[in-house]
Amino acid sequence: KQEVTQIPAALSVPEGENLVLNCSFTDSAIYNLQWFRQDPGKGLTSLLLIQSSQREQTSGRLNASLDKSSGRSTLYIAASQPGDSATYLCAVNYGGSQGNLIFGKGTKLSVKP
Amino acid sequence: DAGVIQSPRHEVTEMGQEVTLRCKPISGHNSLFWYRQTMMRGLELLIYFNNNVPIDDSGMPEDRFSAKMPNASFSTLKIQPSEPRDSAVYFCASSSNGPPGPLYEQYFGPGTRLTVT
Repeated sequence: KQEVTQIPAALSVPEGENLVLNCSFTDSAIYNLQWFRQDPGKGLTSLLLIQSSQREQTSGRLNASLDKSSGRSTLYIAASQPGDSATYLCAVNYGGSQGNLIFGKGTKLSVKP
Repeated sequence: DAGVIQSPRHEVTEMGQEVTLRCKPISGHNSLFWYRQTMMRGLELLIYFNNNVPIDDSGMPEDRFSAKMPNASFSTLKIQPSEPRDSAVYFCASSSNGPPGPLYEQYFGPGTRLTVT
């Protein structure tokens, strides 16, 4: 069974810290992996997408890495801000356009001013 | 682009009533997905369409749930009859197999929060 796990489930850090969110998946034959942000009561905002042939993607203060062989991805957030507080979801696509996303349960991040 | 549009944003109904959720994907996207989010189970796929054709409906809980995509710009998810355990947030997402943007990146709508009493 294809499963996606995110650790930790919740994380609280002081403003300015660099932090890493972890995502692991059981089947390494992925097509791509997406990181999303979800604010309370809101929809999902796509942050970064890493194709299976890529090792990392960067957008501003965010950097996502992918290691297919070990079944892991990390989302690195530099110089965290209170506005980064949200739930971060990792999702794996195994089938391209013919495939849906399999989601982890998310990491709830709180950045304290 | 307006993004993925869903309606209604909130729906409160009584057990046994029919509920219809609507979705308009991003123009030009050829794949459409319906997901459900609950506290207990997180985000789960219900059904998805490619070029308006249902590809995988194995996530549909039971026969009370049905989905249609009559054209490339509109899809519905219907629950009949609704039950309290159907209470959840229902998301629609779309993706494209062509540029611009990364292939198959999924874009989500704001969701419909359904409460069945």
